[in-house]
Amino acid sequence: NFMLTQPHSVSESPGKTVTISCTRSSGSIASQYVQWYQQRPGSAPTTVIYGDNQRPSGVPDRFSGSIDISSNTASVTISGLQTEDEAAYYCQSYDSSNHWVFGGGTKLTVL
Amino acid sequence: EVQLVESGGGLVRPGGSLRLSCAASGFTFSNYNMNWVRRAPGKGLEWVSSITSSSTSIYYADSVKGRFTISRDNAKNSLYLQINSLRVEDTAVYYCAREAASGWYLDYWGQGTLVTVSS
Repeated sequence: NFMLTQPHSVSESPGKTVTISCTRSSGSIASQYVQWYQQRPGSAPTTVIYGDNQRPSGVPDRFSGSIDISSNTASVTISGLQTEDEAAYYCQSYDSSNHWVFGGGTKLTVL
Repeated sequence: EVQLVESGGGLVRPGGSLRLSCAASGFTFSNYNMNWVRRAPGKGLEWVSSITSSSTSIYYADSVKGRFTISRDNAKNSLYLQINSLRVEDTAVYYCAREAASGWYLDYWGQGTLVTVSS
């Protein structure tokens, strides 16, 4: 089994760009797709990125996803930050035992 | 419109049991794999269990294996989680979530039901 490690928190100003990372502890980050979920306080999670870099319909193109094989890290980048982007963000992948693996979550504060 | 509505949460003493339910609507429930995911207070999301569309395959997180049982009734468009031998660390909001048709990710989530384990 592997773990997905995220920074505990990040903060940035409105209008700026922020990147949240998710590092896989073992095995290649490219071996299974990585997804990203947004969870605002008091709400259920919603998907902002799936399949490493795909956006569900309705998610603005300010959100983008990528993976870096050299650092074994997936990332979600949010440009043109808005106050509504303030939320917890979780990465997720899948292990060989059909178990879903979530990162610990990153709290994004838009100052 | 896809809707997932959980119920059955509550306050229970350590060692007790609960049965959580998730009522699905707005899609053909029998075509989709389903999951339970929880979020403990102050912590992140934790996958709990998965069940395939026809119940042929079931998976559990190590932390709940042997104590939790996932099941579904496709005729009633419902997903269930029987949770036994509850521990304080099982206190969490439990979410029902649908696996996308393509696999890999959870495309719809319910609002969750709170389970509190305390003496």
